[in-house]
Amino acid sequence: GDSVTQMEGPVTLSEEAFLTINCTYTATGYPSLFWYVQYPGEGLQLLLKATKADDKGSNKGFEATYRKETTSFHLEKGSVQVSDSAVYFCALSDNNQGGKLIFGQGTELSVKP
Amino acid sequence: KAGVTQTPRYLIKTRGQQVTLSCSPISGHRSVSWYQQTPGQGLQFLFEYFSETQRNKGNFPGRFSGRQFSNSRSEMNVSTLELGDSALYLCASSFGRYSGANVLTFGAGSRLTVL
Repeated sequence: GDSVTQMEGPVTLSEEAFLTINCTYTATGYPSLFWYVQYPGEGLQLLLKATKADDKGSNKGFEATYRKETTSFHLEKGSVQVSDSAVYFCALSDNNQGGKLIFGQGTELSVKP
Repeated sequence: KAGVTQTPRYLIKTRGQQVTLSCSPISGHRSVSWYQQTPGQGLQFLFEYFSETQRNKGNFPGRFSGRQFSNSRSEMNVSTLELGDSALYLCASSFGRYSGANVLTFGAGSRLTVL
């Protein structure tokens, strides 16, 4: 079945460092791909999405490109801030499965001043 | 506009009891999905409702059930609670059914502790 694999955390960075969180997926069809973020004590918030190969999703300085050839959707940010500390989830949706998202295990990011 | 509202936010139950969790979607959203989040299993899909009908179901035992009302509000029920049911239960809503075009908006969750 479909699956998502993320790099393990926690990831600890200094403020203004470059961030990469790796995400690869396995899917039989042509899924849509998402990054969600979860701040302590809160639900998930959509960070960005891409619905087809070579699409680039971007939001709040974060970017990820849908790479079909490498089945990847890595999250990047050029300069992280303390406020980016959170858990990041990569997810996919088979476009024929409605509201069913398959999530990676999450990567905890801690940014130190 | 108001987001997805889940009640209660926190609750404690004992083994064998049952629990009902409520979710009010964003106004105009017709699809509601439920997810269970645990440290060990991560985020797992429970079920999806659209127009009062269950459209999709995850791999959970029959103790987990849900329903959707005509105003799109949804409830999920867990009967005969087990310790392993302790989790954060997240509800998400979207306008339509297909996540590619209709992004899921999540509530803050209901944290269930089973003693």
